[in-house]
Amino acid sequence: SAVISQKPSRDICQRGTSLTIQCQVDSQVTMMFWYRQQPGQSLTLIATANQGSEATYESGFVIDKFPISRPNLTFSTLTVSNMSPEDSSIYLCSVPGPSNEKLFFGSGTQLSVL
Amino acid sequence: QKEVEQNSGPLSVPEGAIASLNCTYSDRGSQSFFWYRQYSGKSPELIMSIYSNGDKEDGRFTAQLNKASQYVSLLIRDSQPSDSATYLCAVMGGSQGNLIFGKGTKLSVKP
Repeated sequence: SAVISQKPSRDICQRGTSLTIQCQVDSQVTMMFWYRQQPGQSLTLIATANQGSEATYESGFVIDKFPISRPNLTFSTLTVSNMSPEDSSIYLCSVPGPSNEKLFFGSGTQLSVL
Repeated sequence: QKEVEQNSGPLSVPEGAIASLNCTYSDRGSQSFFWYRQYSGKSPELIMSIYSNGDKEDGRFTAQLNKASQYVSLLIRDSQPSDSATYLCAVMGGSQGNLIFGKGTKLSVKP
């Protein structure tokens, strides 16, 4: 299984500021996925990060709010911009297994916006 | 839009009993199904995957799939307090490997 390091593990931020979350994988992967888990809710896919091209965003998520970088096959960042209390969630990066047969998750970032 | 439905619970069972968790999905063409366990404040951890109709057993866990009924279940035998967690059912969303998750069922195993 892939080892995924995600940081920060948690943060408390002020309204209107931005936070960048980093995700490092111990092996090269083509796709990386960013999920959000709002309190008491399930995981919702924000976007798919492809190396060398722009990220693909799901309905309801836009690049201006959640810009993503993917500079190489082992690293990605997700920025939560101009934060509001509604952005308080757990943010998770994930990567598929070698045959896209399963999904592995990072440890998550617990974000609280005041 | 693919959807995955689960009873949010909480489901409470006594220690040593069988816990039964259920899930239905909307896309009849779905082929890959997963159960994740998520402890409070932690990220999801894969427990079982199942791709064919029938049962798949792994230790105390059994996943059951019925594609005709679009139904997936997870049985936990000899439930332990350490099994207390939220169990997420997921379906493969596409060829890229992303998953579509249900809202999860919270399981509580009482000593």
